[in-house]
Amino acid sequence: EVQLVQSGAEVKKTGESLRISCKGSGYIFNNYWIGWVRQRPGKGLEWMGIIYPGDSDTKYSPSFQGQVSISADKSIGTASLQWSSLKASDTAVYYCARLSGVPVAVGWDNWVDPWGQGTLVTVSS
Amino acid sequence: QSFLSQPPSASGTPGQRVTISCSGSTSNIGTNTVSWYRQVPGSAPKLLIHSNNQRPSGVPDRFSASKSGTSASLAIRGLQSDDEADYLCATWDGSLNGLLFGGGTKLTVL
Repeated sequence: EVQLVQSGAEVKKTGESLRISCKGSGYIFNNYWIGWVRQRPGKGLEWMGIIYPGDSDTKYSPSFQGQVSISADKSIGTASLQWSSLKASDTAVYYCARLSGVPVAVGWDNWVDPWGQGTLVTVSS
Repeated sequence: QSFLSQPPSASGTPGQRVTISCSGSTSNIGTNTVSWYRQVPGSAPKLLIHSNNQRPSGVPDRFSASKSGTSASLAIRGLQSDDEADYLCATWDGSLNGLLFGGGTKLTVL
C-alpha cells in the first residue's frame, strides 16, 4: 500500500524553529515529487512547494518562498518542512502529498495521491 | 493565494443527483486537467477524480466529472448520507509550481 505518514502535532512559541516530516512507503520514494499543502483553521488548501527526492530539486510557491524550507532525505524515504522562526499565522494543518502526472499536448495532467494524515502546528505567543 | 471558484455549499436528498461546479481561467483549468478531492472535516483530503474524469480504483461510479473550457464539474448520483463532506477541485498552476485548489463546496445530505 502506498502511504505517507507524517510526524505528530506540535505546539510551539513564536520565534521558535520547527521541522515536520513525511515518510513514504509502498513505492519508490525517489521517483515521485512530494508536495506540501497548508490548511489554516476553517480555510482552504494552499500549495506551498514541491521536492523531487531523487535529486532534491525544490520549487516553492511564491507566497511561501523564503518563509519555509523543504528538504528530503532519500536514504530514509522522508521529506521535511522546516521553519526557522515561527509566527502565529503559521498555525495550521500541514499535509504532504505525492504528486502524479504527465505532460499532455498542452499543459499538465497532475494530481496528488495519497496524502499524509496531516500535522497540526499550533504557534502561540 | 487565490483559489478556483466553487460554490460554498450544495445540498440534496438521498438518491438525488447533485453537481458541484469549479471555475478557473485559461491559464489554469483552460490549459491543465482537473482533479477532485473529498475532505471530511478533521481528516486529510482523498482523491476522487483525476485527469478530468478518471476514477481511481475504489471510487464508486456514482461519482463522475467533466471539464469544458475554463470550468469543470463533479456529479454525484444516488446521493447517500455518508457523501456529506467538503469537495474540492484542483488544477496545475505554473505560477505556483503546484496545484491551485478550489475553496471547497460543503455538501449536505438533507
